[in-house]
Amino acid sequence: AQSVTQLDSQVPVFEEAPVELRCNYSSSVSVYLFWYVQYPNQGLQLLLKYLSGSTLVKGINGFEAEFNKSQTSFHLRKPSVHISDTAEYFCAVRAPSGYSTLTFGKGTMLLVSP
Amino acid sequence: EAEVAQSPRYKITEKSQAVAFWCDPISGHATLYWYRQILGQGPELLVQFQDESVVDDSQLPKDRFSAERLKGVDSTLKIQPAELGDSAMYLCASSFTNNQPQHFGDGTRLSIL
Repeated sequence: AQSVTQLDSQVPVFEEAPVELRCNYSSSVSVYLFWYVQYPNQGLQLLLKYLSGSTLVKGINGFEAEFNKSQTSFHLRKPSVHISDTAEYFCAVRAPSGYSTLTFGKGTMLLVSP
Repeated sequence: EAEVAQSPRYKITEKSQAVAFWCDPISGHATLYWYRQILGQGPELLVQFQDESVVDDSQLPKDRFSAERLKGVDSTLKIQPAELGDSAMYLCASSFTNNQPQHFGDGTRLSIL
């Protein structure tokens, strides 16, 4: 079974500042990793995913994440945030094979202020 | 706008009543998922379908919840009777196959009075 820990429940940041949202996972097998964003009263939208290959993954809206196997981490970064990035961000993990479940963290609320 | 369609968007009902949610996945997507998201938490899988068959319902409270996907396309999730603790967002997602990324609908927010 897999588990995900998002270390920060809320991250306040000023507009145009850089941000990092932290995610650590636990698994006894290799994993696929994902970041989703959720705007108020909406479903989740996929930001980026790591399946294999390069450990630096680029996604939509200027976000990127780096897979670190030794640290069991998959932190999300953006060099300069906008007000419109204010949302809840979820890290998720699943095993590569079969009908394995997508397990989500509890989420990190990114609050961008002017 | 989400490509996975869900209805209704909001539902308010009293405890002990029956409630149903509907989901229409992206055309051609064989795998369909129902999640429950409690306020302040991440989504948790309730049931997963591959075409019309259930492949994982281990977290579905089967004494009161049921789900079906009779023709392998759209799906219905039912709760009977509803309890106060069922208040949550119910999200539907679909994927082309079980190994492809999931696409989410906008959800149904359920409030039990």
